[in-house]
Amino acid sequence: DAGVIQSPRHEVTEMGQEVTLRCKPISGHNSLFWYRQTMMRGLELLIYFNNNVPIDDSGMPEDRFSAKMPNASFSTLKIQPSEPRDSAVYFCASSFSGLREQYFGPGTRLTVT
Amino acid sequence: QKEVEQNSGPLSVPEGAIASLNCTYSDRGSQSFFWYRQYSGKSPELIMFIYSNGDKEDGRFTAQLNKASQYVSLLIRDSQPSDSATYLCAVLYTGNQFYFGTGTSLTVIP
Repeated sequence: DAGVIQSPRHEVTEMGQEVTLRCKPISGHNSLFWYRQTMMRGLELLIYFNNNVPIDDSGMPEDRFSAKMPNASFSTLKIQPSEPRDSAVYFCASSFSGLREQYFGPGTRLTVT
Repeated sequence: QKEVEQNSGPLSVPEGAIASLNCTYSDRGSQSFFWYRQYSGKSPELIMFIYSNGDKEDGRFTAQLNKASQYVSLLIRDSQPSDSATYLCAVLYTGNQFYFGTGTSLTVIP
């Protein structure tokens, strides 16, 4: 079975540009999570969806960040405009049972110059 | 106080020894606890989860939960160099808040 798929794997962009990260969860999973990982702050939950509906976005750092899940097999995390402090690894994860056993994608390493 | 506390390490053990990793949490009502392994440059991988007091064993891994003392441990028996990684503890708090610890770096010395 395919795991969680994320694209792109690496993204380098200039400050002020829009960045869109993509995620395809494991088939049959009804919950999807976006995380950010940095050395300073560790792994932070940004937002999670249950049955395509955003349940908790309290971890989204500011209005520059937005996430959507138009259907059960696709989600996006958008940063507009991007800033150097957004540089991090962004992980998408999915689960069959909400905030329990989560399975992570390979991550997108974002560098904003 | 952080929601989930882990000793950042590094923890070094010789090959074949038992590695003991600990995690404390502050929400007494927490019911679900998870251990993830993360190799350098890779994504976290779920290796154990435990929901009730006591021990749960899976191969060389044992998770121990002590709710009264609010800690959860991960024991790795017969440690192998391939176990060298960062181990992340995660806790599901009441109110559906989910937190990861900052991880403990483990090095198994051949």
